[in-house]
Amino acid sequence: AQKVTQAQTEISVVEKEDVTLDCVYETRDTTYYLFWYKQPPSGELVFLIRRNSFDEQNEISGRYSWNFQKSTSSFNFTITASQVVDSAVYFCALSGAIYNTDKLIFGTGTRLQVFP
Amino acid sequence: DADVTQTPRNRITKTGKRIMLECSQTKGHDRMYWYRQDPGLGLQLIYYSFDVKDINKGEISDGYSVSRQAQAKFSLSLESAIPNQTALYFCATAPGQGAYNEQFFGPGTRLTVL
Repeated sequence: AQKVTQAQTEISVVEKEDVTLDCVYETRDTTYYLFWYKQPPSGELVFLIRRNSFDEQNEISGRYSWNFQKSTSSFNFTITASQVVDSAVYFCALSGAIYNTDKLIFGTGTRLQVFP
Repeated sequence: DADVTQTPRNRITKTGKRIMLECSQTKGHDRMYWYRQDPGLGLQLIYYSFDVKDINKGEISDGYSVSRQAQAKFSLSLESAIPNQTALYFCATAPGQGAYNEQFFGPGTRLTVL
């Protein structure tokens, strides 16, 4: 089965706290791609990152970092020193080279609220 | 100007009415998608198209139909709207073939069926 699980429905933090959003996936593909999208209160979906299954290097972009671990089928997203502008719903998604090629399987999202 | 546009942005309609949501893109992408988003359910794929002659059903196509009028245009129709089709609808595009392609989303259409 192809599935993405975001077990955290909602997380609340105070500004400047670090926060990690969890993403666990299931796939039959040996080659697959993982994505994170951000949906701010305005509603649009913003692409954040893509990771392929052969690249387990962690990625850092400013205050954002991603930890990909094939051994645990996880692709977690950490925001360091969170800010109010980080408040949004974050979606993890999966696409496979054979199964669900050209299609994204989305998790149910995690709503992050950052309070001042 | 936005690369992927959706019209209308908001629509309120009544049960039984036919309604069309339109999507246009200037990105030159072959692949286009329609999703619906419900609170707590993430995005679910309704239909997708790889070119004007290739239309495919997604996970939740019942009650919906689509038309790919041109490479740049992909419309979603609700033939007889019902209240549980109240949702946020997104159009998306992707370049070429391959699981690695990110999808580019339109701003969404908020549809309410009374």
